[in-house]
Amino acid sequence: AQKVTQAQTEISVVEKEDVTLDCVYETRDTTYYLFWYKQPPSGELVFLIRRNSFDEQNEISGRYSWNFQKSTSSFNFTITASQVVDSAVYFCALRCTETSGSRLTFGEGTQLTVNP
Amino acid sequence: DTGVSQNPRHKITKRGQNVTFRCDPISEHNRLYWYRQTLGQGPEFLTYFQNEAQLEKSRLLSDRFSAERPKGSFSTLEIQRTEQGDSAMYLCASSPGGTSTYEQYFGPGTRLTVT
Repeated sequence: AQKVTQAQTEISVVEKEDVTLDCVYETRDTTYYLFWYKQPPSGELVFLIRRNSFDEQNEISGRYSWNFQKSTSSFNFTITASQVVDSAVYFCALRCTETSGSRLTFGEGTQLTVNP
Repeated sequence: DTGVSQNPRHKITKRGQNVTFRCDPISEHNRLYWYRQTLGQGPEFLTYFQNEAQLEKSRLLSDRFSAERPKGSFSTLEIQRTEQGDSAMYLCASSPGGTSTYEQYFGPGTRLTVT
């Protein structure tokens, strides 16, 4: 069975600090996909990024960057120079197409609070 | 262009009543998903449609739950004889077809409160 663990329940930082959100996953599939979603106070999940299991290249998008390491089964998310608008719950999710079809398995989320 | 829409946004019902939620996916997305999210938890998968066919169902989807997607467009999720444990946010998502690699786009959810 697949599992996603986000060990950090809550993180609080001061604006302009860098922050890294951890995500560790478990799966026996050789082909799988990893995702990050943001859930602001309004409640709607916003897609941020998708990575597939055979592409370990790290990605940067503006202030966001993602570090995918198969050796440690981790897919961590870093926000550089955090802003108050980054305050939200962030979810890491896993899709294992071989064993679980199209469903996403989510972690329990990390509540990020960026204080001014 | 509009995203995934869900109605109603909030629903308060008494225990034992039936409720029905509606989801309109992004147009041209032939895959539609339902998830449930309780407070402080990540979303949990309930069921998935490809066009009008319901292809996957979670163990969470008890006999009191039924979902349909007639004509492969909008979908409805019905809960019969609601229980207090059904109180949660019900999320709908859609994705393009072709392969299963695409990300899912979520709607704003329907928050159900069973009193």
